[in-house]
Amino acid sequence: AQSVTQLDSHVSVSEGTPVLLRCNYSSSYSPSLFWYVQHPNKGLQLLLKYTSAATLVKGINGFEAEFKKSETSFHLTKPSAHMSDAAEYFCVVRIPAAGNKLTFGGGTRVLVKP
Amino acid sequence: EAQVTQNPRYLITVTGKKLTVTCSQNMNHEYMSWYRQDPGLGLRQIYYSMNVEVTDKGDVPEGYKVSRKEKRNFPLILESPSPNQTSLYFCASSLGATGGGQPQHFGDGTRLSIL
Repeated sequence: AQSVTQLDSHVSVSEGTPVLLRCNYSSSYSPSLFWYVQHPNKGLQLLLKYTSAATLVKGINGFEAEFKKSETSFHLTKPSAHMSDAAEYFCVVRIPAAGNKLTFGGGTRVLVKP
Repeated sequence: EAQVTQNPRYLITVTGKKLTVTCSQNMNHEYMSWYRQDPGLGLRQIYYSMNVEVTDKGDVPEGYKVSRKEKRNFPLILESPSPNQTSLYFCASSLGATGGGQPQHFGDGTRLSIL
């Protein structure tokens, strides 16, 4: 069975400082990995995805994530937080060999302080 | 504009009164899915469909029904809603019958309150 753990339920950063959102997964198969962002009262928007190409993936709005197979991690980072980054972020794993089931992490809520 | 449209966005209703949440996508996607979002649990899949007339249970299907008579529509039906189905619901779609590595496109959500 696959699972996704987001290690922080809440992260608070100051505007202009780096953001790190941690995600670990477990899977018996080679996964596809995604990060989604959810702003209040909106659906989920794709930030970036990893599908077995380059291990460092660049996404929208200055976010990037690095796939580390040895650590089974897919942490999301941004060098400088902006007020508009305040939202909830979800790490998601998809296993093509297992019927393409999507498994979501519990989410990390990001607060950006001025 | 490519989008997934859900209706209604908000609904307050009472226990036992049948309701339907509609979902429509204009991207000609084969794969569609319904999720519910509850605090601390992320999103959990209710049902999914790989193509017309092909549906299957997700992780939490109890109390829900779906149908896929047309490619663009995937309604979620609660025959006899109960308070534990109070939640935020999302419809999503993606390209390809199984999706592969394709990301899913999400609707804006439907907030259901069952009293």
